[in-house]
Amino acid sequence: GAGVSQSPRYKVAKRGQDVALRCDPISGHVSLFWYQQALGQGPEFLTYFQNEAQLDKSGLPSDRFFAERPEGSVSTLKIQRTQQEDSAVYLCASSSREANTEAFFGQGTRLTVV
Amino acid sequence: AQSVTQLGSHVSVSEGALVLLRCNYSSSVPPYLFWYVQYPNQGLQLLLKYTSAATLVKGINGFEAEFKKSETSFHLTKPSAHMSDAAEYFCAVSENQGAQKLVFGQGTRLTINP
Repeated sequence: GAGVSQSPRYKVAKRGQDVALRCDPISGHVSLFWYQQALGQGPEFLTYFQNEAQLDKSGLPSDRFFAERPEGSVSTLKIQRTQQEDSAVYLCASSSREANTEAFFGQGTRLTVV
Repeated sequence: AQSVTQLGSHVSVSEGALVLLRCNYSSSVPPYLFWYVQYPNQGLQLLLKYTSAATLVKGINGFEAEFKKSETSFHLTKPSAHMSDAAEYFCAVSENQGAQKLVFGQGTRLTINP
């Protein structure tokens, strides 16, 4: 596709519900990143994939957060038993293999836990 | 650990006036520095980046930034503000020049007064 696509754009979940957020990176991009952006804050790193390998998951806030990219393309961020503090915009970014490249961001998924 | 501090969560300037958005960083290794812009309900767009070449970096939309190691700063400027510059601006630091894990500041909301 032309850019990074994320779905859904908006998600309202009841506390305790599981959610799955999808990211379609730019075709051919090997690197994929997930960030969490709380209201009024800068994005915070969650996790990083190179192809299907999850190389860094140091930013995942708890074991309720899980990300996968089984075929090295589409990625899913899953949040189990959502809590109010999970409310945020979840941003996905992808980049190509070449060094000195930039990450292209999607529009994000705004998650509201009620 | 790396960190970024953006001085001023809100900056307001008149159309045609100088724009100055401040960013200071902390890094134990030579940093790679970035400025991103975020328009409402949009993803992040790269404005410019410093990757240890020239200390004065020119970006898109007439923006530029100067890396000053002695001041650990990477302030963003534009000589003449335009109404379309109204947005949220984020400074970010990385250990790698590639699109690796980014550490963002809290952002500065720029308002342009007619």
